[in-house]
Amino acid sequence: DIQMTQSPSSLSASVGDRVTITCRASQDIDFYVTWFQQKPGKAPKSLIFAASSLQSGVPSKFSGSGSGTDFSLTISSLQPEDFATYYCQQYHTYPYTFGPGTKVEIK
Amino acid sequence: QVQLLQSGAAVKKPGASVRVSCKASGYTFTSFAFTWVRQAPGQGLEWMGWISAYNGNTNYTLQLQDRVTMTTDTSTHTAYMELRGLRSDDTAVYYCARVQGYGNNWPIDYWGQGTLVTVSS
Repeated sequence: DIQMTQSPSSLSASVGDRVTITCRASQDIDFYVTWFQQKPGKAPKSLIFAASSLQSGVPSKFSGSGSGTDFSLTISSLQPEDFATYYCQQYHTYPYTFGPGTKVEIK
Repeated sequence: QVQLLQSGAAVKKPGASVRVSCKASGYTFTSFAFTWVRQAPGQGLEWMGWISAYNGNTNYTLQLQDRVTMTTDTSTHTAYMELRGLRSDDTAVYYCARVQGYGNNWPIDYWGQGTLVTVSS
């Protein structure tokens, strides 16, 4: 199976900060990465697909980049509603594995 | 608008089976696929498998392939996930999610609200 790692596992940030989360795949997965946001007690929400394409309705403060094995999700200016856990997932090779998540907390 | 409405919470005894449903609306059912993802309490997301609503093709994670069956009913626009031989570590919230195409290598775009399955004697 392809292993997905994320760093950091958690971070504390202030409203207005620029935040970047990284995701690394254990083998080349081209651009087949998607990112999700999950708030406590809620279903995940899809943010980014194909490494850098925004899902419909997702604000442009979210952006993604990367290809091959290294990927990142950036939130340009953190707002109160952005405090959540973020997951990456590869959809290159079955099983389509998830990263362990990065929890973004309020400083 | 796309909606995925899942069945309600279930409590099952060890060894029993559970079937979770996911009723889709707002799009052409057979043009997409479904994936099922579970999340144990306080844990991350676990991919369980995938089913194409176009032709019924499936792909299951090895860890569950002997116990899980995913199906779709095109007449009712509903996807189903059945898990057999339940154990306590199957206690989790189970999510259905729509996949953006009906073949391989498509991402998830929409999620159901989740179904809590509790396995307890």
